[in-house]
Amino acid sequence: QKEVEQDPGPLSVPEGAIVSLNCTYSNSAFQYFMWYRQYSRKGPELLMYTYSSGNKEDGRFTAQVDKSSKYISLFIRDSQPSDSATYLCAMKKAAGNKLTFGGGTRVLVKP
Amino acid sequence: EAGVTQSPTHLIKTRGQQATLRCSPISGHTSVYWYQQALGLGLQFLLWYDEGEERNRGNFPPRFSGRQFPNYSSELNVNALELEDSALYLCASSLRSRGSNQPQHFGDGTRLSIL
Repeated sequence: QKEVEQDPGPLSVPEGAIVSLNCTYSNSAFQYFMWYRQYSRKGPELLMYTYSSGNKEDGRFTAQVDKSSKYISLFIRDSQPSDSATYLCAMKKAAGNKLTFGGGTRVLVKP
Repeated sequence: EAGVTQSPTHLIKTRGQQATLRCSPISGHTSVYWYQQALGLGLQFLLWYDEGEERNRGNFPPRFSGRQFPNYSSELNVNALELEDSALYLCASSLRSRGSNQPQHFGDGTRLSIL
């Protein structure tokens, strides 16, 4: 079983809809949680970086962390065709700097 | 501000050859990380360099090695290339990481193709 599980999709939504993404993890040692966006033939771009359980909002993006359930989410409001990409969750333990990634969810926002 | 830059963009090699990939971190960043993104395997941690020293390595054989230079740029070397080494190799950088938790920012990668 992988340490971090993420539905590969694709997740197809109409423009303007809310995109809901999530990851589950098995190792309670993970303390830092990130969401990256990766366009085709590009590197991952950091969207959100969180530590504690709860919500963090940045523009159209909201990240949620529930450490008790080992579950993290990313919501994208008012989705645009330019949001079409693969979204990767990543996690890190308190010690060390190795990121452990989910497999990524491909998102398609249709005009 | 320039992001993480990697070269070359694409590298084609044959089995048994050696490949050298290069990375320049964001200005001011002293930590450099290497990850492999292979089809079907996702992003996997390879190596972490900080202030010229290798701090951690992932579950990869010794033929994957690297170094970090005094200007904090880094090189990844892969010896005795095998077909399964075909992947996108991503470099990331962060501010000094020991004792703190700094986000990692990625370059666009080098696509290594083994024929």
